[in-house]
Formats: sequence, C-alpha cells, structure tokens
Amino acid sequence: QVQLQESGPGLVKPSGTLSLTCAVSGGSISSSNWWSWVRQPPGKGLEWIGEIYHSGSTNYNPSLKSRVTISVDKSKNQFSLKLSSVTAADTAVYYCASGSDYYDSSGSRGDYFQHWGQGTLVTVSS
Amino acid sequence: SSELTQDPAVSVALGQTVRITCQGDSLRSYYASWYQQKPGQAPVLVIYGKNNRPSGIPDRFSGSSSGNTASLTITGAQAEDEADYYCNSRDSSGNHPWVFGGGTKLTVL
Repeated sequence: QVQLQESGPGLVKPSGTLSLTCAVSGGSISSSNWWSWVRQPPGKGLEWIGEIYHSGSTNYNPSLKSRVTISVDKSKNQFSLKLSSVTAADTAVYYCASGSDYYDSSGSRGDYFQHWGQGTLVTVSS
Repeated sequence: SSELTQDPAVSVALGQTVRITCQGDSLRSYYASWYQQKPGQAPVLVIYGKNNRPSGIPDRFSGSSSGNTASLTITGAQAEDEADYYCNSRDSSGNHPWVFGGGTKLTVL
C-alpha cells in the first residue's frame, strides 16, 4: 500500500517561498502515472495546484502557474512543491496525492487521485 | 477552465438513500471521481471511473453519470457517512488540468 507523507516548514513569511516535500513509501515513485499537490484553505474546498509525471513533465493550475514549480527526485522516491511570492491567501493545508488513469471498455476516461498524504498546514504570516 | 458545481449541503435520515450531484461541462468528456473528507482528515477516494469502489469502501456507495452530471449515491446512509464529499475530474479545456467541485456537506439525521 502506497503511503505519502508531506514535510516542510509550517510557517512562511509573506513574499517568501513555500517549499514542501512528499515522501513516497510502499512503492516506487515510478509506479504511479503522476503525482499531484492539492491545497485546502481553512474552512474551504480543495484546489488542485499541479502535477508531475514520472517522466518529469508537469502541468500547473493556470491561476498559480507563474509561482509554482513541482519536481521529482527518483533517487529519494519523493517529489516537491515550491510556491513563490506567497501571501496570506496561500495559507492552507497542503496535500500530496498519487494519480491513476482509468479507461472503460468504450474508451471513456476517468483519472483519479488514488492515495493522499495526511496533509500539512502551512501558514503565511510575518 | 470549466467548473464543477455541487450543492453546498444535503441531509439524509439514517438508513435512507441520498444522492449527491456534480455538474460541469468536463463531465461530458471525463468520468468524475468522488472523495469523502471528514473533519481534520485527508480526502479518501470512494468512487472512480464508471462506478468503481476502491478496496475497503462499502458497497452502499455507488456512482453514475449522465450528460454533464455525475452522481454519488449512498444507499442506506450510516452515521459514519457524515462528511464533506468532493467531485473531481480532468478539465476538458487546455492542458487537461484538474477541477474540483466546491464540496457537499452531508448530514445524517
């Protein structure tokens, strides 16, 4: 059973860079189709941040694209998130998740997030 | 990008059946997946694809879709099903990023 664990500073100063790492255990980081970061501001819904395929290619949420970098370190079986120029609006619980694709017999597609980390609260404050 | 729309709150009597819906243009191209989130916990996948349950998810959870609407049905709701439920799918525009619904708070009475 794949397990994910986020780690990183819980407090980041405004205008600084948020940096988080997601350690993958119970399986290889090359075993999943892609790896994503999702965040949830206090009391609000889920927001997808971005994803990285084991090939290294990335996709980002257009609203965050200019500030986000996701990378993978296969040697450490982990992937990372960097979010620059943070403000209080970036305060949230940050989750890492593994993604899998799905196709039925008709070829219809339905990708999904199979495994999630427990989440880590990052507060942006001076 | 497209959006997924969910009712903010739904209630169901203990043991009864409840349907939670999710609407959006992307659902014409992609199946939705559904996640259950209890307070202070990470989301848990409950339905994916046409109507598939991960191991450990009770069979009272089922999924369906028609046109631009996906539905999560709980048949015989239990007290432990009280939670927030989120739908999610690939976005059918651009580089296929993801979109989440705003979530539905399910109360079991």
